[in-house]
Order: sequence, then C-alpha cells, then structure tokens
Amino acid sequence: EAGVTQSPTHLIKTRGQQATLRCSPISGHTSVYWYQQALGLGLQFLLWYDEGEERNRGNFPPRFSGRQFPNYSSELNVNALELEDSALYLCASSSDGNDQPQHFGDGTRLSIL
Amino acid sequence: GESVGLHLPTLSVQEGDNSIINCAYSNSASDYFIWYKQESGKGPQFIIDIRSNMDKRQGQRVTVLLNKTVKHLSLQIAATQPGDSAVYFCAENWSGGADGLTFGKGTHLIIQP
Repeated sequence: EAGVTQSPTHLIKTRGQQATLRCSPISGHTSVYWYQQALGLGLQFLLWYDEGEERNRGNFPPRFSGRQFPNYSSELNVNALELEDSALYLCASSSDGNDQPQHFGDGTRLSIL
Repeated sequence: GESVGLHLPTLSVQEGDNSIINCAYSNSASDYFIWYKQESGKGPQFIIDIRSNMDKRQGQRVTVLLNKTVKHLSLQIAATQPGDSAVYFCAENWSGGADGLTFGKGTHLIIQP
C-alpha cells in the first residue's frame, strides 16, 4: 500500500511569491491534515480537510489556504511568502480524523530567500 | 504554550538496553495519544497509539503507558537498536481531531554502540 506522497520535495521561493504544495493521501483515507514544522517550533497544525471541505484551521494567517479535490488529494497554498515561512510542510491522512492515527508523508521543504 | 511536552530533549542509551521516553500533557480532556518516530529527512512515522480507556498497550518491541492521574505518557523501547536513533514525538488529540494533533517538541534518542 502506497503511503502519503508529497510534492515537490524541495521548493525555493523569494519573499512575496506564492507557493503550492501537493499531497496524495493513502488510498481510502478521506481526511487530510497539513502541519508546519519550523526549526525549533515542532509540528504545528495548519489545516484539516475532510470529504472536500475545510473542517478546521490552526493559528495561521489567511494567506495559508488550501483545498481538497474529489479524489481526496490536497493542495496547500501560501501567498505573499515571508522569510519565516521557511519550514518543512507535512501532510498527513487518516481514515477517520476523530479516531484513527494520522500517517505522514515526508514533507516539502520550503525555503524562502 | 504547548499542552504536550517532553521531559528530556536528548536521551542517550547503549545498544541493547531499554529506552524510556516520557511525555507530559496538560489537557485532561485528551482521549487519544500517538507516538511518532521521525528520522532525519523524513516525515513522522506512526509507532503506536493508545486511547484514554487504556493504561497500557504493547506493540513489537514498544510499550506505551498512560497515566491519566498525572497526565503522563511514556514510550518504552526494548532492546534498543541503532535503527531506533531518531526524534520521538508524542501527540495528543483532545477535540475529536478538529484541531489536529498537538505535538510535543520531541526527544532525540541516540544509540551508543
């Protein structure tokens, strides 16, 4: 069974640009979560999508947004990039967001120059 | 601050010994806990989970203990191997998944030959 896949592996942008990160969940999983792992800050919850709808978001500004497609894959968009957005962005999926473990991909390393 | 924390940021053990990684959580409403292992350059890997109606759960070479009285979680790894070297995170779910998992900062487990 294929795990969670994320693309691209690395992404380099400059301040003010926009970034799009992609995630494909494990087959059969309908919930997708996004987390930011910045150096020294641990993993912080960004967004939760389930059945195509945004269910909740963490304490991040509106320039962090995303969507989930009918095949349950997901995109994370970050607009007006700032230096502090440099981090590893992790996607996780689960079959039931309330009651089953989340399984993670290997992330997209976003670097802002 | 974060509601899930770890007592020791770094733990060094001899190969073959048992390892114990500790975690404190602050939200008594948390009802689901997960341990993850993160190796360099990879996403968090699910190790084991436990629900609040249990106080112990065993997997292959790993045991998780939950003490709800003092809001403490531990991960025991038996006969530690070099491949166990990684950062270990505990995570809690206190809102049915609506806010995503809350992660501790992690413990770096180092295996001495």
